Amino acid sequence: EADIYQTPRYLVIGTGKKITLECSQTMGHDKMYWYQQDPGMELHLIHYSYGVNSTEKGDLSSESTVSRIRTEHFPLTLESARPSHTSQYLCASSDRGRQGSYGYTFGSGTRLTVV
Amino acid sequence: SQQGEEDPQALSIQEGENATMNCSYKTSINNLQWYRQNSGRGLVHLILIRSNEREKHSGRLRVTLDTSKKSSSLLITASRAADTASYFCATDRDDKIIFGKGTRLHILP
Repeated sequence: EADIYQTPRYLVIGTGKKITLECSQTMGHDKMYWYQQDPGMELHLIHYSYGVNSTEKGDLSSESTVSRIRTEHFPLTLESARPSHTSQYLCASSDRGRQGSYGYTFGSGTRLTVV
Repeated sequence: SQQGEEDPQALSIQEGENATMNCSYKTSINNLQWYRQNSGRGLVHLILIRSNEREKHSGRLRVTLDTSKKSSSLLITASRAADTASYFCATDRDDKIIFGKGTRLHILP
């Protein structure tokens, strides 16, 4: 069973609201990632972090922001949600030293709907 | 930018048959990984093959890698209903993993 947790599992929220999607891992992994995925489509990297106080934007432009104050926690925030933000958000982590052997561990995702 | 492209986009086979999915990529890689995603869920890491490896096995899974052609294949033998899912290849580039668009596999009873 994966040791990376995302909450909430589902979220329906009105336009203009501020939301934070939570992601926590208990494996002590250095690297953490956020991907955005529309149903049946590919995954797009929107943010990543190589450790505490390290955050970078991914390949897909996103209006969201992230923070990495603690190794185990990598929350994603939308200051003002819009219908175009409706999607599934997947969090992942990996161990920098073992990435070459073990790949990523994914959370179950948060399915966000903005109405 | 998209790195991996899976082929076919969708595949339906009878239970018990073998399923083969292909992945092509564009740039040099450190390794290539295959993931499975059940509907609406997160991804599960299946297997990783390094750039200096040509073939790797894990249970009913067999992965090949041809770096000269920049391609990989995933073979699932003796398919089961539980194998119904989307399968993604992912390439490790600059310490980031870039995913393809996926192959949707449906196992028919």
